[in-house]
Amino acid sequence: NAGVMQNPRHLVRRRGQEARLRCSPMKGHSHVYWYRQLPEEGLKFMVYLQKENIIDESGMPKERFSAEFPKEGPSILRIQQVVRGDSAAYFCASSLTVDRGLTGELFFGEGSRLTVL
Amino acid sequence: AQSVTQLGSHVSVSEGALVLLRCNYSSSVPPYLFWYVQYPNQGLQLLLKYTSAATLVKGINGFEAEFKKSETSFHLTKPSAHMSDAAEYFCAVSDKSNTGKLIFGQGTTLQVKP
Repeated sequence: NAGVMQNPRHLVRRRGQEARLRCSPMKGHSHVYWYRQLPEEGLKFMVYLQKENIIDESGMPKERFSAEFPKEGPSILRIQQVVRGDSAAYFCASSLTVDRGLTGELFFGEGSRLTVL
Repeated sequence: AQSVTQLGSHVSVSEGALVLLRCNYSSSVPPYLFWYVQYPNQGLQLLLKYTSAATLVKGINGFEAEFKKSETSFHLTKPSAHMSDAAEYFCAVSDKSNTGKLIFGQGTTLQVKP
């Protein structure tokens, strides 16, 4: 069973361009989370999605950032008009349930590292 | 709201020495607590978790953590450090909402010296 797959692993963009980061959750997982890790910082929650629904986007910047998890295909984190401050590692995680107390472990991908020039 | 504080952004130990990474939490409800490890350029891997059963939790690679409610702590320990333990370690708390999201601490980088 493949783990959480993220691509691209590394992405370089110039200021003003768009970045699209993709995440395929583990097979059978319908809960997807995106986190951002800035240099020398911990992981900050961005958004939680289920198929075709954004459940919690309390950590998403108000502008330029959007996320989706369509019925078919991977979840996508989209950053429009990137700025240097967007340079970070973006991690996707998936789980079978939302109950972390039982078997609902959160599995992480290896991340997508965005560099904005 | 739940939060996590990791004391010490960098910890350095000698190979074979005790590893102690500190984590304190704040939670309005009984928490679920986690330790994750991140090796360079990789994702996070779950080391262990506390879910209100035994207060001493054993994880992978010889790590364990003890939940102490009176101290609101969940420190991570390993009796004898190995070179391969060098990595970044994150403590996290589940926010117990219906989202299942985790709130992470700032992380502690563990350096193991030969």
